[in-house]
This record gives sequence, C-alpha cells and structure tokens, in this order.
Amino acid sequence: GAVVSQHPSRVICKSGTSVKIECRSLDFQATTMFWYRQFPKQSLMLMATSNEGSKATYEQGVEKDKFLINHASLTLSTLTVTSAHPEDSSFYICSSSDTADTEAFFGQGTRLTVV
Amino acid sequence: KQEVTQIPAALSVPEGENLVLNCSFTDSAIYNLQWFRQDPGKGLTSLLLIQSSQREQTSGRLNASLDKSSGRSTLYIAASQPGDSATYLCAVRVSDMRFGAGTRLTVKP
Repeated sequence: GAVVSQHPSRVICKSGTSVKIECRSLDFQATTMFWYRQFPKQSLMLMATSNEGSKATYEQGVEKDKFLINHASLTLSTLTVTSAHPEDSSFYICSSSDTADTEAFFGQGTRLTVV
Repeated sequence: KQEVTQIPAALSVPEGENLVLNCSFTDSAIYNLQWFRQDPGKGLTSLLLIQSSQREQTSGRLNASLDKSSGRSTLYIAASQPGDSATYLCAVRVSDMRFGAGTRLTVKP
C-alpha cells in the first residue's frame, strides 16, 4: 500500500516554543490531507482538512492561529503547533489520499509532550 | 456534520469466540468506510476498506459489511485470538474523514 511518512515520531518541547510536524506522501500525490489529534483513551478528532494549494479548513474549536497547517505541495503537509502549552500534549496523526473516494493512508503519528 | 458511533465501547470475550463490532453513521452519502486497528500507544493499522458501492469486504478472519442506506457497518471477527486485543475504529469518508470513538476489544486466553 501507499506510504505516508510522519516526522518526528516523538517530541518533547518547552512551554512557549513551537513545534513543526511533517507529513510526506512517498508514492502518491496527496491532494487532500487530514490532521487529527488524539488524547489518551479517546478517539481521533479531526482538526483540519487541507487541499494542496489552498487554505486549510479547520474544525470548530480548533484555533487556526495556533495550529498552522501548510500544504504547499502534493507530497508534503506540515502542522506547526505555535506557543505550545502542556494542554497541547497529545498524539497528532496525519492522513492523506489522492482523491476523495480512495483509501486514506495514515502517518505513524507524533507524540507531543509539552513540559 | 457526520456523526459516527461505535457500539459497544468495550468488549471482552474468551479466545475462539466469533464477535461483531458495530459502526453507525448519520450521513449516508459517503465515499467509503474504513476499519482500523489501534494498539495502545501506537498508530493506526488499516484493516478493511469498503467503497460506497460495495456491500462487504473480507480479509482472513475479518469480514466487514456496509449498509449505506441504513448508515451501518459491522466488523465480524471469526475465531478471536488474544492477539486481536486492540481498539477497533471505523472511519467514514465524505469530503472529510471522521472516526467513531472505537471499541476496545480484549480477547482472553
């Protein structure tokens, strides 16, 4: 199957700093990218949907100025958590597909811990 | 907004039992539905993908069905094994992709 590479897999940062998470589709064109957040013992909550070359569509309650999403190319999307705080500690995972009706492939996830 | 519900939230069975996990969704105009497995602290493993035009998919001991008109899907696991213990998630694709809360399965030896 197609491969989505997410990096880093684990990051610890100090409160107030920014963290960038990368998601790359290695063998297909990721027209659409989804970013999710998962708190312990909870399901994946959709944060935003981005289409290549367009601004991301954020879910209600997700601060777009805090969670910056860039999807400038068909193979790379980034999520930057700005001015991170301990409550942003979570498991972040990306997903992408080439068309709306094809299988979505998931990155390995990034466990963010803000201290 | 699409709402995805999974029942039961948790399930504990003895090894060897057949079991059914349920997923329901509110908007039947879907492109596809995927079932995933997630082990504690890990990412997602895709199990089965059912396109909107399909009624079921099978992979080994797993069989997933889809009734789009009623907004339901089931994941059938035959002859369960302790290694099947994990959280099972269904996700529905429209313009976005949304997940249910999952079913936490424990298979006891």
